[in-house]
Amino acid sequence: DGGITQSPKYLFRKEGQNVTLSCEQNLNHDAMYWYRQDPGQGLRLIYYSQIVNDFQKGDIAEGYSVSREKKESFPLTVTSAQKNPTAFYLCASSSTGLHEQYFGPGTRLTVT
Amino acid sequence: RKEVEQDPGPFNVPEGATVAFNCTYSNSASQSFFWYRQDCRKEPKLLMSVYSSGNEDGRFTAQLNRASQYISLLIRDSKLSDSATYLCVVNVGTGGFKTIFGAGTRLFVKA
Repeated sequence: DGGITQSPKYLFRKEGQNVTLSCEQNLNHDAMYWYRQDPGQGLRLIYYSQIVNDFQKGDIAEGYSVSREKKESFPLTVTSAQKNPTAFYLCASSSTGLHEQYFGPGTRLTVT
Repeated sequence: RKEVEQDPGPFNVPEGATVAFNCTYSNSASQSFFWYRQDCRKEPKLLMSVYSSGNEDGRFTAQLNRASQYISLLIRDSKLSDSATYLCVVNVGTGGFKTIFGAGTRLFVKA
């Protein structure tokens, strides 16, 4: 089955700790994205990558970092510098920037 | 002004009703358009792409009006399972690209 996987589904961390969220796709898509969704809110773009070894900041990149060493993988690190990290994190991919995006099931991060 | 605007709703309709959602976008360089549905605490899922000629998929019909810069989604014969939030999505491409998600329209279909 082709698709996007994110792990873990739920993640709990103490304030001050960095945490890395996993995103893997086997759709052979070039572009990958990370979004954040807060309760009752829309999606906000954190980072995106159009090709391996290249990525760009989205609208809310502060306190986050990413890497794109392989086409299939686009992990997101939530650093201790992120002021309000508790949120629903969604990873997506698309064949190109103008095509439809497909989402993984998301990771709910709670930081206390 | 938001780049993509949707009526947040909620729309409360009985089963079997026809319901229409509209979405307006501000960037005339927008190139591709989509409707997604998102169930509570789940990821968005692609419902359908939207083409200038209009397109239909079963009970769902999408229309694009480039001149007026709006997109519509019509749901006929609503089912309880249609209850969800519907997101309007626009891709703007001028060299680079940018995907803009609307905040969504909430639909409740009641028995």
